[in-house]
Amino acid sequence: QKEVEQNSGPLSVPEGAIASLNCTYSDRGSQSFFWYRQYSGKSPELIMSIYSNGDKEDGRFTAQLNKASQYVSLLIRDSQPSDSATYLCAVIGGSYIPTFGRGTSLIVHP
Amino acid sequence: EPEVTQTPSHQVTQMGQEVILRCVPISNHLYFYWYRQILGQKVEFLVSFYNNEISEKSEIFDDQFSVERPDGSNFTLKIRSTKLEDSAMYFCAGSRTRLAVEETQYFGPGTRLLVL
Repeated sequence: QKEVEQNSGPLSVPEGAIASLNCTYSDRGSQSFFWYRQYSGKSPELIMSIYSNGDKEDGRFTAQLNKASQYVSLLIRDSQPSDSATYLCAVIGGSYIPTFGRGTSLIVHP
Repeated sequence: EPEVTQTPSHQVTQMGQEVILRCVPISNHLYFYWYRQILGQKVEFLVSFYNNEISEKSEIFDDQFSVERPDGSNFTLKIRSTKLEDSAMYFCAGSRTRLAVEETQYFGPGTRLLVL
């Protein structure tokens, strides 16, 4: 059974701070890693994808992947109240089917 | 920018009734997926579809479920005899190629299904 684990939160950070979201996965053969943002009642929206070890930056977002530790994270710099949402980690292995974590609720307070 | 669309946005049905959820994928997408998300829980894969065939399905996707692409544009999920536990948000998604490295999928807005 492939598992993707996330702390459900909520993670509360002040506006302007860095939010750090973490995800671990069980399948060592996993190849693709995604972070989605999901507002309540809405569909997942892709934020970042990462495929190789290290950091990948896109604007205020940085994804970090460590395959040896089976760990992927998302950093959000200069957090804004509009970033308040649930962040889903998804992992794809050899089956090409994503396994999602339950998501971490982020609250950015003014 | 092209988007995945889903209809209806909300559906209320009685237990035991059949429902059909519809999706119009982005036109250059070839792989299609259905997911469900029970309220407060994680997104769960149901089925993937390519070249008019199911390519993968999960344990959730039992004989009560079926998918088809009846006219080359719509992609449907049918639940033959709904149960209370089928109440969930159902998302359609698509991708140009298989979900290998460097490929992403795009989600529709979802259909919220409530079974009474």
